[in-house]
Amino acid sequence: EAGVAQSPRYKIIEKRQSVAFWCNPISGHATLYWYQQILGQGPKLLIQFQNNGVVDDSQLPKDRFSAERLKGVDSTLKIQPAKLEDSAVYLCASSLDPSGRRGGEQYFGPGTRLTVT
Amino acid sequence: AQSVSQHNHHVILSEAASLELGCNYSYGGTVNLFWYVQYPGQHLQLLLKYFSGDPLVKGIKGFEAEFIKSKFSFNLRKPSVQWSDTAEYFCAVTKNNQGGKLIFGQGTELSVKP
Repeated sequence: EAGVAQSPRYKIIEKRQSVAFWCNPISGHATLYWYQQILGQGPKLLIQFQNNGVVDDSQLPKDRFSAERLKGVDSTLKIQPAKLEDSAVYLCASSLDPSGRRGGEQYFGPGTRLTVT
Repeated sequence: AQSVSQHNHHVILSEAASLELGCNYSYGGTVNLFWYVQYPGQHLQLLLKYFSGDPLVKGIKGFEAEFIKSKFSFNLRKPSVQWSDTAEYFCAVTKNNQGGKLIFGQGTELSVKP
């Protein structure tokens, strides 16, 4: 079974520039998550999709971050404009069942390491 | 604020030593508990999970964790670590009414000396 794919793996941009990250979840996984992991901290949820609908975006800085999941498969996370504090690893994860009956078991991609200078 | 706390930021052990990593959470109600591991250069992967039933759960690679509800704890243990256990370990929680959203602790870096 292929895992969660993400690209690019690394990105360096200057502040105020824009950047986009792409995620392809495991086939058949209805739920897709984007997490932000700042160095020295655990991942923090940014946004959760169930198919192509947003379930939770309460911690997404909506003035600069946006995400979409067209057709309920691939997803794109965008930052515009980037700030220095956006430097982090952006993780995509997917799961079959978000209800908790499977315990929210999530499968993570390799992440995109973003450096904002 | 509701949170997940991991007591140790960095643990250094020699091979064959016993390991216990602490994790406490501050949520009431029914929770699901997880330990994820990130080996150097690899992505996060599930080590073990607790949903209900026997509070002592066994995971991959000889790891186990014990859920103590009265202490809001889910400590990770391994009787004898190996150099290959060098990794970062994350405790995480989901609440049954929150659709699978994982809330992570800050992580514990484990270094095992050969």
